[in-house]
Amino acid sequence: QVQLLESGPGLVKPSETLFLTCTVSGASISSHYWSWIRQPPGKGLESIGYTYYSGSTSYNPSLKSRVTISVDTSKNQLSLKMTSMTAADTAVYYCAKWGGSGDLDYWGQGTLVTVSS
Amino acid sequence: EIVLTQSPGTLSLSPGERATLSCRASQSLTSNYLAWHQQKPGQAPRLLIYGASSRATGIPDRFSGSGSGTDFTLTISRLEPEDFAVYYCQQYGNSQITFGQGTRLEIK
Repeated sequence: QVQLLESGPGLVKPSETLFLTCTVSGASISSHYWSWIRQPPGKGLESIGYTYYSGSTSYNPSLKSRVTISVDTSKNQLSLKMTSMTAADTAVYYCAKWGGSGDLDYWGQGTLVTVSS
Repeated sequence: EIVLTQSPGTLSLSPGERATLSCRASQSLTSNYLAWHQQKPGQAPRLLIYGASSRATGIPDRFSGSGSGTDFTLTISRLEPEDFAVYYCQQYGNSQITFGQGTRLEIK
């Protein structure tokens, strides 16, 4: 059974940097693509970016200058770093595993990140 | 960036009725990399359909997907009470993932 669990601070101050981790069980981080997606309260889903363990990454053009996604194969974890956080970045952040057709077949439960002083 | 436009924004139906949700892409999706996800309040999205028409593991056969190119449809043949939720289409193309804005399926 594939499971993903996001962890990180629930509250971040404006201008600070967000660090989130996604711990994967039931699947090897080295065998699939992995995504970060976010959802502001009451709104729709937005892709942040995705990565493969080899280091290949792709980011949402609107976030590219502030985002880094990486993989730690020794811990079977996915990470997200987002700089210069503002209130507009308040959202539930999800990690997700890719299936074979560009789909997202397993999702984490999500973690709410609030940006406020 | 490939933009996905879903219609209608809200669909009001009764249990037992048939639901038809639409997703239109701003350009043709090569390989039909189009998926549908269901999201209930307070929960993460759940994959229903991948590759435009294949049901994900454990998804009831009342859910079906169809379409190709730029026009795709999710059909729920007979609505069950647990089907009332928000549905998102999602595509992978041009090295980007994008989502539609969602269709809210509500009880009439």
